[in-house]
Amino acid sequence: DIQMTQSPSSLSASVGDRVTITCQASQDISNDLNWYQQKPGKAPKLLIYDASNLKTGVPSRFSGSGSGTDFSFTITSLQPEDNATYYCQQSDNLPYTFGQGTKLEIK
Amino acid sequence: EGQLVESGGGLVQPGRSLRLSCAASGLSFDDFAIHWVRQAPGKGLEWVSVITWNSASIVYADSVKGRFTISRDNAKNSVYLQMNSLRPEDTAFYYCTTLAAADTINYWGQGTLVTVSS
Repeated sequence: DIQMTQSPSSLSASVGDRVTITCQASQDISNDLNWYQQKPGKAPKLLIYDASNLKTGVPSRFSGSGSGTDFSFTITSLQPEDNATYYCQQSDNLPYTFGQGTKLEIK
Repeated sequence: EGQLVESGGGLVQPGRSLRLSCAASGLSFDDFAIHWVRQAPGKGLEWVSVITWNSASIVYADSVKGRFTISRDNAKNSVYLQMNSLRPEDTAFYYCTTLAAADTINYWGQGTLVTVSS
């Protein structure tokens, strides 16, 4: 199985800040990497697919990059509604594994 | 607008069985593989199983292999997860999802809670 190592596990930042989350795959997954946002009591919501493609309707302050084994997810100009947990997920090989999650707190 | 709705969760004793259902509407159901993903309370997401559109390919996570069975009925736009020999560590919210890495077809249900406890 492909292991996804996501970091940090948590972070705290202020409105307007820029934050970056990283995700490392245990083997080459090309660009088969997706990013989800999950708020308490809700299902995950896809934000970025295929490493860098922004899902329609998702604000442009969210972005993703990377290929192979190393990926990053960035939120520029944090907003209060970005308070959530973020997960990376590989869709290269079954089982489609998730990273451990990053809990983002807006100060 | 596509929608997935899970049902069948509840409180069950260890060793017993439960069957979850996932009903789809507003999407071409038999175009999609359907996955189950679970999340223990306060924990991360764990992929559980997938069934392709025609049931030709089925895969399970090692943690549920031999205990859980996924199936689908395209005539009823539904997917099922039969869970046998349940353990306390199976306690989680269970989501059905297309898990599609694509713009408009990544659908998730609202989740159904399974609690395994005596």
